[in-house]
Amino acid sequence: EVQLVETGGGLIQPGGSLRLSCAASGFTVSSNYMSWVRQAPGKGLEWVSVIYSGGSTYYADSVKGRFTISRDNSKNTLYLQMNSLRAEDTAVYYCARVAPLYWYFDLWGRGTLVTVSS
Amino acid sequence: QSALTQPASVSGSPGQSITISCTGISSDVGGYNYVSWYQQHPGKAPKLMIYDVSNRPSGVSNRFSGSKSGNTASLTISGLQAEDEADYYCSSYTSSSTLVVFGGGTKLSVL
Repeated sequence: EVQLVETGGGLIQPGGSLRLSCAASGFTVSSNYMSWVRQAPGKGLEWVSVIYSGGSTYYADSVKGRFTISRDNSKNTLYLQMNSLRAEDTAVYYCARVAPLYWYFDLWGRGTLVTVSS
Repeated sequence: QSALTQPASVSGSPGQSITISCTGISSDVGGYNYVSWYQQHPGKAPKLMIYDVSNRPSGVSNRFSGSKSGNTASLTISGLQAEDEADYYCSSYTSSSTLVVFGGGTKLSVL
């Protein structure tokens, strides 16, 4: 079955770090564009980051310099390392597969909740 | 404030048709045919409903259709059903450093 499963969310204090994981099955992460999209409680969707199949990475201005997207090809898993977390980073984080060049998200995980609070 | 503008809410009766608009600018919606639409039920992940302005993925009902004119894209749902009640988000590629932008979402109520 083709699916994405996110893990790693939780409660973290402001300024702290957290690493999210997204395990893929049924397809190869490294052959696809993969992205993180987040949704603050009661709010809309916000694109966070993407890693291209070739390895290039891009970030939203709101997380640039604090978040790092990566992947482990041997584990077929996508990651999001989040540092210097702020209250406004509180959200459900979804990983999603991106259609190259056309920029639509055709497969989504169920999400993992990150709460940044003291 | 979201990059793409959608109405906060729309409503319709079963069997009716509704249209949700999504307005951007020339560097996103107006400049590329890379508009997509997502349906999200409460507590669930978004689901792709339309891609590349008007294409439906396999398995999505043909009651859902998309179009674009200038800087505004639209999602039309015909023959409304109770299960269509959800939040709908548009998205577009953008030539800015952001790469992709979303609308603020539209809550569809089926009365």
